[in-house]
Amino acid sequence: AQSVTQLDSQVPVFEEAPVELRCNYSSSVSVYLFWYVQYPNQGLQLLLKYLSGSTLVESINGFEAEFNKSQTSFHLRKPSVHISDTAEYFCAVSGSGGYQKVTFGTGTKLQVIP
Amino acid sequence: ETGVTQTPRHLVMGMTNKKSLKCEQHLGHNAMYWYKQSAKKPLELMFVYSLEERVENNSVPSRFSPECPNSSHLFLHLHTLQPEDSALYLCASSQEVTGQLYGYTFGSGTRLTVV
Repeated sequence: AQSVTQLDSQVPVFEEAPVELRCNYSSSVSVYLFWYVQYPNQGLQLLLKYLSGSTLVESINGFEAEFNKSQTSFHLRKPSVHISDTAEYFCAVSGSGGYQKVTFGTGTKLQVIP
Repeated sequence: ETGVTQTPRHLVMGMTNKKSLKCEQHLGHNAMYWYKQSAKKPLELMFVYSLEERVENNSVPSRFSPECPNSSHLFLHLHTLQPEDSALYLCASSQEVTGQLYGYTFGSGTRLTVV
């Protein structure tokens, strides 16, 4: 069994300030990790993913996440946020190999304040 | 049209009604999913179809009935729903059932309200 914990349900941050959205997971097997973003009135979009290799992964719009196996974490960071980053962010985990169910967290709403 | 399209965007139905949600994908994917998104809860996987065959059913009540007539279309038939079934229902697709490697493509969802 696997689970994902996103402790922060809402994170307000001023524009151009840095932000970190926290994600912790639990799993008894090797994992793949994902961050999805959901803009208002839209479905979820894949933001970035960790499958293997470098523990630091980046998205095209400046977000990055670091896989930390010892702390079972996959926190999402951005050094300077924009108004357009206002959205809900979901962390997700799946086992690796074969068909594996993807488990999502409860989401963190990022509110960027002008 | 590209991506995953869900209709209707909003649906209000009484507890005795019968309605259907539709999902269509134009990505050439061969796996499709129904998820339920409720406030302050994790996304709940309801059904998974791979190559038009159901491969997972997560103990969903029988008042929800999925149908996948081909790899591009997925339906969720609803009947005698309860108010607690009110939620955003999301359809997703992936290249194959091991789509966790490539990520899912989600539709914009159907906001369902049961009155």
